[in-house]
Amino acid sequence: KAGVTQTPRYLIKTRGQQVTLSCSPISGHRSVSWYQQTPGQGLQFLFEYFSETQRNKGNFPGRFSGRQFSNSRSEMNVSTLELGDSALYLCASKEEGSNQPQHFGDGTRLSIL
Amino acid sequence: EDQVTQSPEALRLQEGESSSLNCSYTVSGLRGLFWYRQDPGKGPEFLFTLYSAGEEKEKERLKATLTKKESFLHITAPKPEDSATYLCAVRGGGADGLTFGKGTHLIIQP
Repeated sequence: KAGVTQTPRYLIKTRGQQVTLSCSPISGHRSVSWYQQTPGQGLQFLFEYFSETQRNKGNFPGRFSGRQFSNSRSEMNVSTLELGDSALYLCASKEEGSNQPQHFGDGTRLSIL
Repeated sequence: EDQVTQSPEALRLQEGESSSLNCSYTVSGLRGLFWYRQDPGKGPEFLFTLYSAGEEKEKERLKATLTKKESFLHITAPKPEDSATYLCAVRGGGADGLTFGKGTHLIIQP
């Protein structure tokens, strides 16, 4: 099975712009979660989608949003970018079931100039 | 609020020198404790899931154990290819999002 695929791998933006990141989950996985990873804060949960509905949300401002499509692919959008948004954004998918592990993609490295 | 603390932050070992990494946690209604390995420039790679105190899982040179307050990742006779950052995460009641510790950066010197 192919793993979780994230595109693009690298992105450079300037303050005030917006960005959309894409994630294709493992085939058959309907749950997709997004995380932000920074050296200072580590991995922090952004949100989770299941069957096109946001099921959980972490403590991030409303500038961070996402959606999921009927084929389980997901996108994450960040508007009005700030310097502090520079990070590795990771997507993870899992099979349904609370005890299933999440499987991660290799992330999108976002740099804000 | 779920919390995970990992120690040490960094560890340097000689090849063959066994050691343990610690993950202390507080969570309401543990629905799983997860260990991941992360290499530079890559996403976390799943290693183990533990659900209840007393449970143990093994894979090659790695063994994970769980108590009601902490988990240990034991590394036996490590090799240089075991060098990576090891992450611990918990899933608590009511949410499927994981709460991660900041990781232990492990270096195995030949």
